[in-house]
Amino acid sequence: GNSVTQMEGPVTLSEEAFLTINCTYTATGYPSLFWYVQYPGEGLQLLLKATKADDKGSNKGFEATYRKETTSFHLEKGSVQVSDSAVYFCALTPSGGNTPLVFGKGTRLSVIA
Amino acid sequence: DTGVSQNPRHKITKRGQNVTFRCDPISEHNRLYWYRQTLGQGPEFLTYFQNEAQLEKSRLLSDRFSAERPKGSFSTLEIQRTEQGDSAMYLCASSSQGGKDNEQFFGPGTRLTVL
Repeated sequence: GNSVTQMEGPVTLSEEAFLTINCTYTATGYPSLFWYVQYPGEGLQLLLKATKADDKGSNKGFEATYRKETTSFHLEKGSVQVSDSAVYFCALTPSGGNTPLVFGKGTRLSVIA
Repeated sequence: DTGVSQNPRHKITKRGQNVTFRCDPISEHNRLYWYRQTLGQGPEFLTYFQNEAQLEKSRLLSDRFSAERPKGSFSTLEIQRTEQGDSAMYLCASSSQGGKDNEQFFGPGTRLTVL
């Protein structure tokens, strides 16, 4: 079946540190891949996405590259800020189109000043 | 447009009672999704609609759950004879079928607590 596995949290970093949150997936066909973010007290927001192999999604200094050979979509940011503290979810839609998302369990990130 | 809205934001009920939640999607979106999120987990798909047609239901959606979208606009999710295991955040999302590569916009959720 379709599934997403992401690194367990919580992750605690100092401001300006480098961030990597690992995400790997299992899917049939050619999934689209997403990172969603949930800030404290707010709803889920799309952070970035990639719809085919080797695509790089980017937004707000975050990046993730769709790696078909390793079935991965790791989230990275070069210098985190306190305002990046949130829960990050990796997700996929199995075969494109507007179909239901399959989410990982989420990784909580805390950035301290 | 104010985005996806959900009501109520919080609901506390006693075991065995029925509850109903409402979701108002972004007005031009024809797809509407329901997800459930429990503490420490990612959202899990429950069901989704295209216009008024219910296209898919998850195995998570037991017989006690029913969802409708009667006129292809707002949707309701009803849970009958609630159980403590139903306590969760219920999320609604919407998307445009012809839109940008599956981007789903989420509402703030309804948090259900079953005592």
